[in-house]
Amino acid sequence: AQKITQTQPGMFVQEKEAVTLDCTYDTSDPSYGLFWYKQPSSGEMIFLIYQGSYDQQNATEGRYSLNFQKARKSANLVISASQLGDSAMYFCAMREGNTGGFKTIFGAGTRLFVKA
Amino acid sequence: DGGITQSPKYLFRKEGQNVTLSCEQNLNHDAMYWYRQDPGQGLRLIYYSQIVNDFQKGDIAEGYSVSREKKESFPLTVTSAQKNPTAFYLCASSIDTEINEKLFFGSGTQLSVL
Repeated sequence: AQKITQTQPGMFVQEKEAVTLDCTYDTSDPSYGLFWYKQPSSGEMIFLIYQGSYDQQNATEGRYSLNFQKARKSANLVISASQLGDSAMYFCAMREGNTGGFKTIFGAGTRLFVKA
Repeated sequence: DGGITQSPKYLFRKEGQNVTLSCEQNLNHDAMYWYRQDPGQGLRLIYYSQIVNDFQKGDIAEGYSVSREKKESFPLTVTSAQKNPTAFYLCASSIDTEINEKLFFGSGTQLSVL
């Protein structure tokens, strides 16, 4: 069965410092995609970063990077130089399937608080 | 602008009543999804559809029904059988050809029971 685990319900970080949000996943499918989404208090979901199961390099998008450790089945999000606007819920997600049949499941989320 | 429109933003349901949440997309995406969000539980998949006139149950389909008569539309009905419907409901869509396709989300509907 698919499963995404985010063990940190809440995290605090000082402005301008880096923070790591943990995510582990469980799947028997060799082909899968891992995503991180941000949800501000407004409720919208914002795509941040993607990592494919066959990708050799860790994904990076601006201040976001994904620490992908395939053998440990972890896909942690690293946010560098935190900003007050980074305060939000962060969800790790996994997509499996094939053409004509993809499905995405989400973890419980981590609420990040950035302190001034 | 292309996107996903959910309506209404807030919805109230009386005991024993069915209510329908609207989701429309003009992104020409084949796949559409409904998620339920409860505090501390993340997003849980209710139903999804990859093609018109076809849909599959997600992890928590009991008490819900959907239809996909048009590619652009994927309404969700919360039936009276759903005993705890209070939650934030998110509709999403995606291209359904590659595993790296992200989800595009609507702005959500907050459903509450009167």
